[in-house]
Amino acid sequence: GAGVSQTPSNKVTEKGKYVELRCDPISGHTALYWYRQSLGQGPEFLIYFQGTGAADDSGLPNDRFFAVRPEGSVSTLKIQRTERGDSAVYLCASSLGGGSKKQFFGPGTRLTVL
Amino acid sequence: GIQVEQSPPDLILQEGANSTLRCNFSDSVNNLQWFHQNPWGQLINLFYIPSGTKQNGRLSATTVATERYSLLYISSSQTTDSGVYFCAVGGSGGGADGLTFGKGTHLIIQP
Repeated sequence: GAGVSQTPSNKVTEKGKYVELRCDPISGHTALYWYRQSLGQGPEFLIYFQGTGAADDSGLPNDRFFAVRPEGSVSTLKIQRTERGDSAVYLCASSLGGGSKKQFFGPGTRLTVL
Repeated sequence: GIQVEQSPPDLILQEGANSTLRCNFSDSVNNLQWFHQNPWGQLINLFYIPSGTKQNGRLSATTVATERYSLLYISSSQTTDSGVYFCAVGGSGGGADGLTFGKGTHLIIQP
């Protein structure tokens, strides 16, 4: 597609459940980023992939959060034992990689944990 | 970690007015980007500008890396310019490309 796509656009779950959020980056972009945004705040960095490997996962808040990118394209953010504090908009971005750092964002997935 | 401060936090202008948004950061960076988040939540990349000056239509940006600030100029504002403008920086330490965002400037353009 022309831009970064994310699915689902909205996800409502119950406390303690497991969720998966998907990101499909711009075709040809080797770098992929996950952020989350709480109401009234700027996006907060979670993890960065270069190709298939996580180059920097320092933003993941705890071990309930995990992300994969097995083929170097689509990525899945996985959250185990969800808590109400995990409620936020989860944003994915991609960039061409190499020396090109300009990031392009998807529309986000709004996660609500009841 | 690096701190990013944006000012003003809120700005209300009439259509046609000009504005300057400021971003200060606490450490040297090799990556600075400006984004516009529209009322529907979509983040649009306006500029990648770790240093120097760029212009795109009614928008321009200047980053003075040695003094750790960047400015975003919006001229002849239109109602569609409303939204939140974010400055985001990276590259201050280990080479990671994850961006640190400021809290944004909430801009409202009134007709």
